[in-house]
Amino acid sequence: GAVVSQHPSRVICKSGTSVKIECRSLDFQATTMFWYRQFPKQSLMLMATSNEGSKATYEQGVEKDKFLINHASLTLSTLTVTSAHPEDSSFYICSASSGGRGETQYFGPGTRLLVL
Amino acid sequence: QKEVEQDPGPLSVPEGAIVSLNCTYSNSAFQYFMWYRQYSRKGPELLMYTYSSGNKEDGRFTAQVDKSSKYISLFIRDSQPSDSATYLCAMSPTGNQFYFGTGTSLTVIP
Repeated sequence: GAVVSQHPSRVICKSGTSVKIECRSLDFQATTMFWYRQFPKQSLMLMATSNEGSKATYEQGVEKDKFLINHASLTLSTLTVTSAHPEDSSFYICSASSGGRGETQYFGPGTRLLVL
Repeated sequence: QKEVEQDPGPLSVPEGAIVSLNCTYSNSAFQYFMWYRQYSRKGPELLMYTYSSGNKEDGRFTAQVDKSSKYISLFIRDSQPSDSATYLCAMSPTGNQFYFGTGTSLTVIP
């Protein structure tokens, strides 16, 4: 099956710093990548959808200047949480799709962010 | 009304039981249906993927789609403690936009 990796798996940072999370599709080309946020015991909340080479589409209520998404290649997308605050602490999960009709999403293992 | 409804549980069953997980939806345009399993603090893992109506079986897992009733199910036979996880249903009209259920928490008791 398709493999998606995320790095780092866990990060602790001080309030006000920026954190970059990488999402890579290891064995397929991902024309579309999705970024989700998940709070404990809650479902996935889609933050944004990014297509390779174009600007990400953000869901309502998600600040695009706060959560910078770059999808520069068919195998890599990055999410940068700028000037992180404690309320940004969460589990961030990316997924990738090759974008063909009917193609499903494959999820990364997630990144746990703790902002102190 | 949410696009996808899923009972959050929690659901607790003894080992060996048959588990039935369900989702209902409102959008008749959905054609692609998926079930994901998510262990605590891990990313979701694709379990089953079905296009349109019908059944699909993979080992102990069977996915059913009833488009006329807008209802999908995942059956787990001979449930094992290792099946304890949260199960998410997901669906899509085109394969490009996905809608997720809230997830059902399952515990299989040895």
